[in-house]
Amino acid sequence: DTEVTQTPKHLVMGMTNKKSLKCEQHMGHRAMYWYKQKAKKPPELMFVYSYEKLSINESVPSRFSPECPNSSLLNLHLHALQPEDSALYLCASSQVDRNTGELFFGEGSRLTVL
Amino acid sequence: DAKTTQPTSMDCAEGRAANLPCNHSTISGNEYVYWYRQIHSQGPQYIIHGLKNNETNEMASLIITEDRKSSTLILPHATLRDTAVYYCIAGGTSYGKLTFGQGTILTVHP
Repeated sequence: DTEVTQTPKHLVMGMTNKKSLKCEQHMGHRAMYWYKQKAKKPPELMFVYSYEKLSINESVPSRFSPECPNSSLLNLHLHALQPEDSALYLCASSQVDRNTGELFFGEGSRLTVL
Repeated sequence: DAKTTQPTSMDCAEGRAANLPCNHSTISGNEYVYWYRQIHSQGPQYIIHGLKNNETNEMASLIITEDRKSSTLILPHATLRDTAVYYCIAGGTSYGKLTFGQGTILTVHP
């Protein structure tokens, strides 16, 4: 199984809503990532988890709250978002023990904030 | 990560080789060159990476110049399904901290 599965594929939410994006992988990878991609722009790193601990936060606003409950799951909790947060949110995973630079990406969750 | 420069767009005829260039003149000695591609509405897909030597896998070949200031990704026999945005990344050994540039939009024509 070489897949990273993200749910939901599409999400529409109001600025007062609370929602969560979910990501799952069963490749035994111990590093997991959230990237954000605006339309016609490259992906931008948001968070990196290593061995279920947050290792990198790229100065992301607190309305985005990541969580890694176990080695296979990664969540991104969303609260009080702004319309400019509308984007494709990509989850990825990789091995930690050796640097192959090979990240496995999911197909993303497309978020629209009204 | 070192800054990379790629052409904004390129065209290629189906069945021909696609050669995608990338400049990374500020790359440091321990930084790798990675290539990813992103087909419309999908997540990025890893293609290949290298440090100094040329590399080949089932998808592509990577040619890195001796001074490591530039590289070329070669898709030997492009198909319509290779139409995508191709990203060249010059990155360090910090896993996952890949900085994507603007990339090259490759369009493969019949």
